[in-house]
Amino acid sequence: GAVVSQHPSRVICKSGTSVKIECRSLDFQATTMFWYRQFPKQSLMLMATSNEGSKATYEQGVEKDKFLINHASLTLSTLTVTSAHPEDSSFYICSAGTGSYNEQFFGPGTRLTVL
Amino acid sequence: TQLLEQSPQFLSIQEGENLTVYCNSSSVFSSLQWYRQEPGEGPVLLVTVVTGGEVKKLKRLTFQFGDARKDSSLHITAAQPGDTGLYLCAGDNYDYKLSFGAGTTVTVRA
Repeated sequence: GAVVSQHPSRVICKSGTSVKIECRSLDFQATTMFWYRQFPKQSLMLMATSNEGSKATYEQGVEKDKFLINHASLTLSTLTVTSAHPEDSSFYICSAGTGSYNEQFFGPGTRLTVL
Repeated sequence: TQLLEQSPQFLSIQEGENLTVYCNSSSVFSSLQWYRQEPGEGPVLLVTVVTGGEVKKLKRLTFQFGDARKDSSLHITAAQPGDTGLYLCAGDNYDYKLSFGAGTTVTVRA
C-alpha cells in the first residue's frame, strides 16, 4: 500500500516554456501532498504543502506564481513550473501524507532539465 | 540551519562491516522517520519511531529513538552493497510538515 506515482519521470524543455508534473496517490486518498526540490547529493527542500480543495501553502522564498500547485482531488496534485529557466533545473519529488504519525510516502521524482 | 543534524555526512565501508548514522536535535519530536533514497528515485520509508527509548529492528537495520525523543540512530550490521544509498532522518515536531536532516551518503564496497 501507500504507493505514489509521478509523471513524467524526466522532462527536457526550452527556456521560457511551462512544465506540468503530476503526483498521484494510487491506493489511498491524500488530503495533503507535499512538493520538494532536491539538488545533487543534498537533502530535500520543502517547496509547498498542497491541500485538497484549498490553496497551497508555500515555504519562505518559494515563488507561488512561478510554481503553481493545484490539488484537484484526493488523489492528484500538480506542480506547474511556469516560464522555466535553467536555474529551475532540478529533481522534483512529491509525497503524500498518511498514517497516524505523519509518515510521508514519496513519488519516484521528476528530473527537470531546462535548456 | 537544519533542525535535525545528521552525521556523518559521508560513510564508505567494506562489505561485512557495521555502521551507525546519527540524527540529533535540540527539539522534541512526536515521531521520527528514517528513509533511504537511491540515485534518481524518491525516498523510501524504512521505519517510524514514536516512543522515547524505542528500538526497532528491520533485518540487519536497528533503529533507536532517544529517551527524550530528540535524537535517533540507525545501525546496520554486516553491511552489503545493496545498503548503499542516501539515508535521511525526518522528524515531526508536532507540525504537519517533516523536518529533514541533511542526509548521510552510505557507500558499501564489495
